[in-house]
Amino acid sequence: GQNIDQPTEMTATEGAIVQINCTYQTSGFNGLFWYQQHAGEAPTFLSYNVLDGLEEKGRFSSFLSRSKGYSYLLLKELQMKDSASYLCAVRAGSSSNTGKLIFGQGTTLQVKP
Amino acid sequence: DGGITQSPKYLFRKEGQNVTLSCEQNLNHDAMYWYRQDPGQGLRLIYYSQIVNDFQKGDIAEGYSVSREKKESFPLTVTSAQKNPTAFYLCASSMPTEQPGRSLAFFGQGTRLTVV
Repeated sequence: GQNIDQPTEMTATEGAIVQINCTYQTSGFNGLFWYQQHAGEAPTFLSYNVLDGLEEKGRFSSFLSRSKGYSYLLLKELQMKDSASYLCAVRAGSSSNTGKLIFGQGTTLQVKP
Repeated sequence: DGGITQSPKYLFRKEGQNVTLSCEQNLNHDAMYWYRQDPGQGLRLIYYSQIVNDFQKGDIAEGYSVSREKKESFPLTVTSAQKNPTAFYLCASSMPTEQPGRSLAFFGQGTRLTVV
C-alpha cells in the first residue's frame, strides 16, 4: 500500500533550527514535495526533490534519500510566522507526469518566543 | 499571472443536493487533482486526471464525480451520495518532470463546503 509518515506535532524556539522528517512507502516514486499550510488556507509550495541530495532555498532546505524512502525539511533561523503545518507529499508513479500525489498527515510546528 | 482558481471560496448546500466546485488553471499543466481536508487532518485524494478526457479515482472517490473536457478545467461534483460532505476542498495541478528538479505543483485557494 501507499504510506507517508510524519510526526504530528513539533515545537521549536524562535531563531533555532528544526528538522521535520518524512518517510514514505509508495508504489513508484516520481518526486517528493514539501508544502506549508497556515490554518484555514491552501498549502503553498516550499520545495521539490526528485534526485537524492539536498535542495537549499533560503532558510528552507529539503533532503531526499530514495533508497531509504526518507526526506526531511530543514528550517533555519525560525520566525514566529513559520508556525504552520508542513505537508510532505509523494508523486507515486513510474514515469514523468504520471501517478497520483499522495500526502502525509502533516506536521504542525509551533514556534515559541 | 498564471495560477489556479477555485470558486466559490465558501459554499453552503442543503442535504440531498448535488453541488459542483470549479477549478480552472492557466499554467498549461497536464495533471490536476482534487483533495479533501477535514479539520486537523491531512489531504485525502478524491480524483486525479493526468490528461484531458481521462481521470482516475483516488482514495475516497465514493459520492464524487469529475470531468476533464478541457486541459484548463477539472470540476468536482459532490453528489447527494456523499454522506459527510462538509470539508475543505482543494484543487491542485502539476507540470511534467522533464525539467530536472523543477517540477512544481500548485494549489488553488480552496472551497469550504458546508452542508446545512
